[in-house]
Order: sequence, then structure tokens, then C-alpha cells
Amino acid sequence: ETGVTQTPRHLVMGMTNKKSLKCEQHLGHNAMYWYKQSAKKPLELMFVYSLEERVENNSVPSRFSPECPNSSHLFLHLHTLQPEDSALYLCASSQARLNTGELFFGEGSRLTVL
Amino acid sequence: AQSVTQPDIHITVSEGASLELRCNYSYGATPYLFWYVQSPGQGLQLLLKYFSGDTLVQGIKGFEAEFKRSQSSFNLRKPSVHWSDAAEYFCAAGGSGNTGKLIFGQGTTLQVKP
Repeated sequence: ETGVTQTPRHLVMGMTNKKSLKCEQHLGHNAMYWYKQSAKKPLELMFVYSLEERVENNSVPSRFSPECPNSSHLFLHLHTLQPEDSALYLCASSQARLNTGELFFGEGSRLTVL
Repeated sequence: AQSVTQPDIHITVSEGASLELRCNYSYGATPYLFWYVQSPGQGLQLLLKYFSGDTLVQGIKGFEAEFKRSQSSFNLRKPSVHWSDAAEYFCAAGGSGNTGKLIFGQGTTLQVKP
């Protein structure tokens, strides 16, 4: 596999469920990101991990919990979500410290909260 | 505040016609600038980027963009649109010290008429 892979592609969950989104990058990058894409709104940066350390948390509610066990994997753990959390969640990676800002995105996980 | 504005939410052009998508940014210094494209059900793919130097940059799929500092703009152009270009286009800006922390515009949806 190449690039950035996200699973599952689609997820439907109730407000009391606990689920996780998974992201894996095969590009040898050392920085990974979670973005939220809602209809009619700009992409929102949620979390940034650089060299496996969380360096950014953009005031995201605690019902979203990221985990980065190594430079190739990133998870987003979800629990007690709200219907307004329904969105496309995009994972991205980059080579940190090159300062080019270029991101490589996965295809996204479409989350629906009932 | 830093921001990226795409004034056109939706654009329709005929196949073979020329295309220009507008992007304006507000940033403390000259940012790195990007155009991404998102096809339905897909993640974002980088079309082109501007860091410095020549203000006219070439990208993939026949796209180009011109950086105009005086207008704080980075408009995307294509001389002849193909039906496969129908997608959503995002302009983004980032700084040299903020790897991966891109600010995205709201996106422009391009529809191509046969």
C-alpha cells in the first residue's frame, strides 16, 4: 500500500458508543494530523503529532481522544459523541521540519452520529 | 487574524472553457500557498504550491496559479476544463514555522457542463 490509508471509510454510531478511527501512512513521514471536514465549513485542524508527540490540540472536546503509537499510525478514539460531530474526518501526514507545509491526505472516514 | 477566502462557493463552466478560481489570504507575512482538489468520496490531492520565486506556478492536471502580493491573491487557472475536473477545490495558506498547520478556505465546487 502507498500513501495515507484510513479505516473505516464509513462509520455510524450512537451517542453512547465507543469507536476508533485509524490512519496509517506509508510515506516515511514523521508528522500526522487529524482534520475535521463539515459541510459548508473550512477544514478544521484538530490535532497534530510531530515525532510522536502531540504538538497541537485546537480546543477539541475531550470526547475526541487521539493516539499516536508510532510515526506511521494515528488513531482517533471517539466516545459519547454528539450529532453535530457527524463529519468527514481526514488524516494527513507530512515530513516535519522541512517547513514546506505540504500535507498528504487520506480518503477520510465518514462519521455519522445518530 | 489569519484567513483564506474563496469568494465563489460554486462555479459552473462548459467543458473546454477556461477556468479561474479565486483565492485571497490574510496573513502576517507572505505565506506558503497551496491548492488542493477533492473528488467526491476522496481525500485532498495537492495540485500545486507556492513558496517563493516565480509567481506563476505550474501544477498537475494542467493547472497553474499566480501569486499576486499586492492583491493578496493566489488564483487558480486552467485554459481548457475537462469533465473530470469537476470536484471541490481548496486554497490553503501556511507559514514557515507552522508545518502542517494550514488554514483552508471554504472551498469552491466546480461543475462542468458537457
